[in-house]
Amino acid sequence: AQSVTQLDSQVPVFEEAPVELRCNYSSSVSVYLFWYVQYPNQGLQLLLKYLSGSTLVKGINGFEAEFNKSQTSFHLRKPSVHISDTAEYFCAVISGTGTASKLTFGTGTRLQVTL
Amino acid sequence: KAGVTQTPRYLIKTRGQQVTLSCSPISGHRSVSWYQQTPGQGLQFLFEYFSETQRNKGNFPGRFSGRQFSNSRSEMNVSTLELGDSALYLCASCRDGSYEQYFGPGTRLTVT
Repeated sequence: AQSVTQLDSQVPVFEEAPVELRCNYSSSVSVYLFWYVQYPNQGLQLLLKYLSGSTLVKGINGFEAEFNKSQTSFHLRKPSVHISDTAEYFCAVISGTGTASKLTFGTGTRLQVTL
Repeated sequence: KAGVTQTPRYLIKTRGQQVTLSCSPISGHRSVSWYQQTPGQGLQFLFEYFSETQRNKGNFPGRFSGRQFSNSRSEMNVSTLELGDSALYLCASCRDGSYEQYFGPGTRLTVT
């Protein structure tokens, strides 16, 4: 079975600083990887996804992530964060043998951006 | 295009009661999945419906059930509520063959 580990439960960062949110996955088969963001009292919004092809994927709001198969990682990065990026970020995986619905989520990383 | 809608947004129930939550997917999406989100357990998959049939199921007790109608709208039901059922219940819809799930705002259920 697949699993996702988000190594940091909280990441404090100053506005305009770069940030990296870490995600590692385990799966014995090919995977599809996702990052979702959740703002307070809201549902999840898809930031970006890796299905195949280029290992560097760009998403909305200036975020990008790199799929690294040898390190089984899919870290999320942004070169310069804004106060409005304060939210909970979830990494998720679907195994290649699963259906679209079987998203397995990490425990989330709370990004706190301050002035 | 309208997003995924969930009703009600907030709900307070008493232990032992039952509750029904509703989800309307994005037009054209036939797959609807349900997730439970709690501080302790995080986001957990409940079940998925496609064309009125349950296609996948997570590891939840039989008190949790769902159904899907011909217009793809879905409901989930929780019977004999327990305090531990207090959570944010999220619904997501997806086009057939896609891996992108679109989430609704959730229903926050509080069991007292």
